[in-house]
Amino acid sequence: NAGVTQTPKFRVLKTGQSMTLLCAQDMNHEYMYWYRQDPGMGLRLIHYSVGEGTTAKGEVPDGYNVSRLKKQNFLLGLESAAPSQTSVYFCASSYRGLAGVYNEQFFGPGTRLTVL
Amino acid sequence: GNSVTQMEGPVTLSEEAFLTINCTYTATGYPSLFWYVQYPGEGLQLLLKATKADDKGSNKGFEATYRKETTSFHLEKGSVQVSDSAVYFCALSHYTGNQFYFGTGTSLTVIP
Repeated sequence: NAGVTQTPKFRVLKTGQSMTLLCAQDMNHEYMYWYRQDPGMGLRLIHYSVGEGTTAKGEVPDGYNVSRLKKQNFLLGLESAAPSQTSVYFCASSYRGLAGVYNEQFFGPGTRLTVL
Repeated sequence: GNSVTQMEGPVTLSEEAFLTINCTYTATGYPSLFWYVQYPGEGLQLLLKATKADDKGSNKGFEATYRKETTSFHLEKGSVQVSDSAVYFCALSHYTGNQFYFGTGTSLTVIP
């Protein structure tokens, strides 16, 4: 199993350009998440999904859109990139186990995005 | 609300020293608690977890005990190695929601 994969690994954009980050998981997990990681800020949740066709806002959703058309894929879009969106983006997936316990999240390797 | 507070770094230790990274949490009821490790240039990996009070999670010589009375989940290792140099994140999940709550991370550098 590949686990959680992310494409691309690196990207440089100019202000105002758009792009889509792709996350794929092969573990049949219900839940998927997008985070951004900035120095000194830890991980901040951008959007998440609790199942195919559903999405929800996290802590820092502005400037991003997401879609979960297939259970295994979770896409993060930047419609008009800004320098403030320079960050490392991580995708994660998870599942709910017995007795309602939320189990650990599995992370992808990250996408390093620079917006000039 | 739910939150995690962990000690700020960076932490620098000599090889074979004892490691403690403090983590306390705020949550109602009984959340699940986790420690993740992030090596340079990589994503987060689960290091250990505990799902109920008094549980001890352990892996690769690291341990953490879920203390309900002090709302803590401190990470410890008896003898660190250079290869343990990484950023460590404490996290919780709560049965009433489907989000994780992460601490800000503690950077550890182990010098030979």
